[in-house]
Amino acid sequence: DIQMTQSPSSVSASVGDRVTITCRASQGFSSWFAWYQQKPGKAPKLLIYRASSLQSGVPSRFSGSESGTDFTLTISSLQPEDFATYYCQQANSFPRGFSFGPGTTVDIK
Amino acid sequence: QVQLVQSGAEVKKPGTSVKVSCKVSGHTLTELSMHWVRQSPGKGLEWMGGFNPEDGKTIYAQKFQGRVTMTEDTSTETAYMELSSLRSDETAVYYCATRRDILTGDWLDAFDIWGQGTMVTVSS
Repeated sequence: DIQMTQSPSSVSASVGDRVTITCRASQGFSSWFAWYQQKPGKAPKLLIYRASSLQSGVPSRFSGSESGTDFTLTISSLQPEDFATYYCQQANSFPRGFSFGPGTTVDIK
Repeated sequence: QVQLVQSGAEVKKPGTSVKVSCKVSGHTLTELSMHWVRQSPGKGLEWMGGFNPEDGKTIYAQKFQGRVTMTEDTSTETAYMELSSLRSDETAVYYCATRRDILTGDWLDAFDIWGQGTMVTVSS
């Protein structure tokens, strides 16, 4: 199974701040890496797929990047609606299984 | 517009089974690659399994093998997830989700469209 670590586990930030969340996977295939946003009581929402591709309709302040087995989600200028929990997700090579990181909560400073 | 509408909340006793449904509208079920993810209260996301178009097979997470069955009824465009031998620590919200990017038609190694979730409470 893929092992995922995510840091930080929580971050307090203000509107307008730049926020960076990092995920480290035991396997580093960028094509199979994604980021989600989840708000309380709601289903997760896909933000980024293939490590750096922005899903349709997602604001451009969200971006994804990779460096080896480290994957990063950046919110360039935090907006009030961005306070939520963010999860990374990695897929296995074959057969396709999936693993999620433990999550990072972004709350108001 | 693709929508996944799940069945309502369930209360089950330990040792019993639950079957959750996920009805598709706006698309064809067999073209979506349906998967299931659960989330215990206050906890993270846990992938349970799903249908993979790469090999045309349904794969289950090792943790659930032997206890979970995922099926599809094409006549009603409904996917099902049945989990047996329930334990109290399996109280969770169970989601269906698809790997298909609806806009582009591409297969994703991620989940684009999600159901609203079904709360399953396991309690004696």
